[in-house]
Amino acid sequence: AQKVTQAQTEISVVEKEDVTLDCVYETRDTTYYLFWYKQPPSGELVFLIRRNSFDEQNEISGRYSWNFQKSTSSFNFTITASQVVDSAVYFCALSERGSQGNLIFGKGTKLSVKP
Amino acid sequence: DSGVTQTPKHLITATGQRVTLRCSPRSGDLSVYWYQQSLDQGLQFLIQYYNGEERAKGNILERFSAQQFPDLHSELNLSSLELGDSALYFCASSGPGTRGEKLFFGSGTQLSVL
Repeated sequence: AQKVTQAQTEISVVEKEDVTLDCVYETRDTTYYLFWYKQPPSGELVFLIRRNSFDEQNEISGRYSWNFQKSTSSFNFTITASQVVDSAVYFCALSERGSQGNLIFGKGTKLSVKP
Repeated sequence: DSGVTQTPKHLITATGQRVTLRCSPRSGDLSVYWYQQSLDQGLQFLIQYYNGEERAKGNILERFSAQQFPDLHSELNLSSLELGDSALYFCASSGPGTRGEKLFFGSGTQLSVL
């Protein structure tokens, strides 16, 4: 069965701090895809990144970076030098090859960045 | 703007009623997904359509149904509504593939059942 666990329900940091959001997944499939989405207070879901199971390279995009480790079934997300605009709920999601494309989401981590 | 349009943005109704939520996918996208977001259940996958045909079902109640029309827009019908059906309902669409595609989400329909 596929499952995504985001153990951190809420995180609060002060602006300019670095913060890491954890994501652990379970799947029996050897081909799968991992995603991160952001849900700001306005409510929409914004795509951040997609990774397939064969690509374990870490990725950096500006202040955002992602660490994918198959050995620990984790796909963690780090925000460097956080800003107030980063305040949002962040969701990790998993899509298996045989799932017809639908995503299974974790419960989300609410990040509050205070000035 | 994701390119996915959902209407209405807000819906207030009473228990026992029936409502229809509408979704227009991004131009060219063949897959439409419906998700329900509530405080206790989080983001739950309900159902997926691909080019008019049902492709996958998640935790969708029997009181709920959906369809995708020839112009690819989709409707989610919720009937015999209960207080617990109050939630944010998202529609998403994705490109021609069905594996590993990123989903583009609409802004959601906030349903309040009183």
